[in-house]
Amino acid sequence: EPEVTQTPSHQVTQMGQEVILRCVPISNHLYFYWYRQILGQKVEFLVSFYNNEISEKSEIFDDQFSVERPDGSNFTLKIRSTKLEDSAMYFCASSEGKKHGYTFGSGTRLTVV
Amino acid sequence: GESVGLHLPTLSVQEGDNSIINCAYSNSASDYFIWYKQESGKGPQFIIDIRSNMDKRQGQRVTVLLNKTVKHLSLQIAATQPGDSAVYFCAETSSNYQLIWGAGTKLIIKP
Repeated sequence: EPEVTQTPSHQVTQMGQEVILRCVPISNHLYFYWYRQILGQKVEFLVSFYNNEISEKSEIFDDQFSVERPDGSNFTLKIRSTKLEDSAMYFCASSEGKKHGYTFGSGTRLTVV
Repeated sequence: GESVGLHLPTLSVQEGDNSIINCAYSNSASDYFIWYKQESGKGPQFIIDIRSNMDKRQGQRVTVLLNKTVKHLSLQIAATQPGDSAVYFCAETSSNYQLIWGAGTKLIIKP
């Protein structure tokens, strides 16, 4: 069964450093997403990406965040200057359509110290 | 505002019994709903979805019911097994891209 793959599984970074979280969506999917889940809380939408541009973003997705699809397979989330409160599980997802077949990766646990 | 919520944060069920997990939503414009299962340390796993033009949809051992009148969604798991232990989330979406997630219900299976 096709999977969304995320790397690394765990990232520890110092406050103020930049991190890049990587995702390989399912190959025939056209829509890509990033969500995050702070420990013990609900999953929160960050951003959606379609046709090489951001289609929607939440209030959380401020100027310190950016996304990129550098090639035909990878989808990345960059956090420019990490803060302690950025510590969370970050999930990448992809879907065939806007309302069809959302599949999530296993997540990257980001710990900012 | 728009929100998706769950009635019970924890549900304990005897192995072999049926489980019913409930979810309330407030956005009447939502037209697509998904149930996810999340095991500890893993990403959300798709269980079943339903569109607003349906009231019921069945999968393997799972059934989702949608009551648009009272904005209620439920997930029924038949013959609950130990492997069903997880946190279950409902999520909704309307005309935009994002899924709005509920708070989650932890399902505990008693032997």
